[in-house]
Amino acid sequence: SQKIEQNSEALNIQEGKTATLTCNYTNYSPAYLQWYRQDPGRGPVFLLLIRENEKEKRKERLKVTFDTTLKQSLFHITASQPADSATYLCALDRDDKIIFGKGTRLHILP
Amino acid sequence: EAQVTQNPRYLITVTGKKLTVTCSQNMNHEYMSWYRQDPGLGLRQIYYSMNVEVTDKGDVPEGYKVSRKEKRNFPLILESPSPNQTSLYFCASNEGLAGGGNIQYFGAGTRLSVL
Repeated sequence: SQKIEQNSEALNIQEGKTATLTCNYTNYSPAYLQWYRQDPGRGPVFLLLIRENEKEKRKERLKVTFDTTLKQSLFHITASQPADSATYLCALDRDDKIIFGKGTRLHILP
Repeated sequence: EAQVTQNPRYLITVTGKKLTVTCSQNMNHEYMSWYRQDPGLGLRQIYYSMNVEVTDKGDVPEGYKVSRKEKRNFPLILESPSPNQTSLYFCASNEGLAGGGNIQYFGAGTRLSVL
């Protein structure tokens, strides 16, 4: 069955630096890969979607890459701020089936 | 405002007492789903529905029922709750994108404790 691994449970980054989160998957490549942000006690909020034929997608300070050969997506937050502290989830989307990773808790330290 | 509304937000119940968690969306989406989220296990899909009167099992359907009689509502039913169903539940509604892929909109969550 499809497995998703997000690099670490928690990541501490100094304010102003770039935070990089990793999402690795096994088995089949998804047609689409999504990233969500989740704050404590709240539902996930969609951030970005990247398609299998796209290498990179950007939105303001966010950048997502998708490497189907490595079976990996990287999620970058540049010029990170304490307000970026949250849990970030990647999700694989294929044939109307969406599978989530367990998430990475990101702490931006002032 | 585009919304997915779940009720109740918090619920404490006892083993065996049937309960329903309601979910409603105002975006006219066809696809809706239910997830549970547990520490260390992440979000796991319970059931999903691709349209009215069409429902399918997700990864962890045991002990749950759903119905989809109208497009906007997708209630989650626990006929006989057990303590292992204590969890944080999310309803989600999907928007299909023109170029392919989906965006999921999540409700605020229902924290359920079964004693």
